[in-house]
Amino acid sequence: AQKVTQAQTEISVVEKEDVTLDCVYETRDTTYYLFWYKQPPSGELVFLIRRNSFDEQNEISGRYSWNFQKSTSSFNFTITASQVVDSAVYFCAFGGTNAGKSTFGDGTTLTVKP
Amino acid sequence: AAGVIQSPRHLIKEKRETATLKCYPIPRHDTVYWYQQGPGQDPQFLISFYEKMQSDKGSIPDRFSAQQFSDYHSELNMSSLELGDSALYFCASSLQANYGYTFGSGTRLTVV
Repeated sequence: AQKVTQAQTEISVVEKEDVTLDCVYETRDTTYYLFWYKQPPSGELVFLIRRNSFDEQNEISGRYSWNFQKSTSSFNFTITASQVVDSAVYFCAFGGTNAGKSTFGDGTTLTVKP
Repeated sequence: AAGVIQSPRHLIKEKRETATLKCYPIPRHDTVYWYQQGPGQDPQFLISFYEKMQSDKGSIPDRFSAQQFSDYHSELNMSSLELGDSALYFCASSLQANYGYTFGSGTRLTVV
């Protein structure tokens, strides 16, 4: 069975600080997908990124960047120069051969203070 | 661009009542997933449908049933509601299982 661990339950930073959210997964699958979602206080799930297991290239999108390392089964998410609007719960998720049937981590609540 | 539409957005029911949640996938998407997210919890996969057939099943209670119709919209039927069913119910859709999928805004069900 797959497992996703987000060890950080809550993180609090001051605006403009960089912050990294950790995600570690366990699987025996060789083909799989990893996701990050943002859930702001309004409740909707906002898709941030999808990465398949064959693509270890790191990705940067604006202030967001992701570091995928298969050797350590980690898929960490960094927000550079955080802003108050980044305050949300962030979920890391694992999808196997049926990517839609994802297993979510417990989430990390990020609070960015002005 | 069209997104996944869920209705209603909010629903309040009493214990032992029934509820029906609806999901309209992105046009041409053939796969629908249902998730349940309890207060302070992560989303839990309930059930999925591909081409109107159940494709996978997760932690869906026997009191719940779902189906996907010919127009690909899906409905989640919940009977004998319990207080513990109060949650945010998300629907997501995709074009086949291994492509990117999009979540709807969710239906917040409150059972009183």
